[in-house]
Amino acid sequence: GENVEQHPSTLSVQEGDSAVIKCTYSDSASNYFPWYKQELGKRPQLIIDIRSNVGEKKDQRIAVTLNKTAKHFSLHITETQPEDSAVYFCAANRVSNFGNEKLTFGTGTRLTIIP
Amino acid sequence: AAGVIQSPRHLIKEKRETATLKCYPIPRHDTVYWYQQGPGQDPQFLISFYEKMQSDKGSIPDRFSAQQFSDYHSELNMSSLELGDSALYFCASSLGGNTQYFGPGTRLTVL
Repeated sequence: GENVEQHPSTLSVQEGDSAVIKCTYSDSASNYFPWYKQELGKRPQLIIDIRSNVGEKKDQRIAVTLNKTAKHFSLHITETQPEDSAVYFCAANRVSNFGNEKLTFGTGTRLTIIP
Repeated sequence: AAGVIQSPRHLIKEKRETATLKCYPIPRHDTVYWYQQGPGQDPQFLISFYEKMQSDKGSIPDRFSAQQFSDYHSELNMSSLELGDSALYFCASSLGGNTQYFGPGTRLTVL
């Protein structure tokens, strides 16, 4: 089955600086890579996702890059703000015309933005 | 927009008791997933249903069972509860191969 590794486990960044979180996956059949943000006791919320036919995707201050050959993908947050503090999970699964498989999550990164 | 609904939001049970968690997916979503998240852990997949049929099974104990009903809502039944079952239980739903949206979760505490 799929195995997703995520680094770092904790990250502290000065407000206004950039944060980068990296993930690797093992199953070359995986083709969908979402990132979820989770605040304490709350639900995981999708912040951005990327499919394997795309190398990079950007949404305002958030961007994700994917290297299929190396099987790794990264989340980039620029101009960080205190409200970006949360736990971020990367995930991977295989999506086909017949449905959606389970998400395999990374172990999470606790991001702290220092004012 | 309508979101995934879960009930109850909090549940306290004694060891060896049973619990039933309910999930109402986003309207017209055809796939429901259950995940378990322990403290400080990532969500772990338990089971999923596509069009009311079980589609995949993960690390779900034999003491747990689940089903999806004709109105697409799903229930996770947990018996012989153990202390280690204390966790956040999330339901998520998707339409085909699209994004999985998570519900607010049920916090289960086993005493």
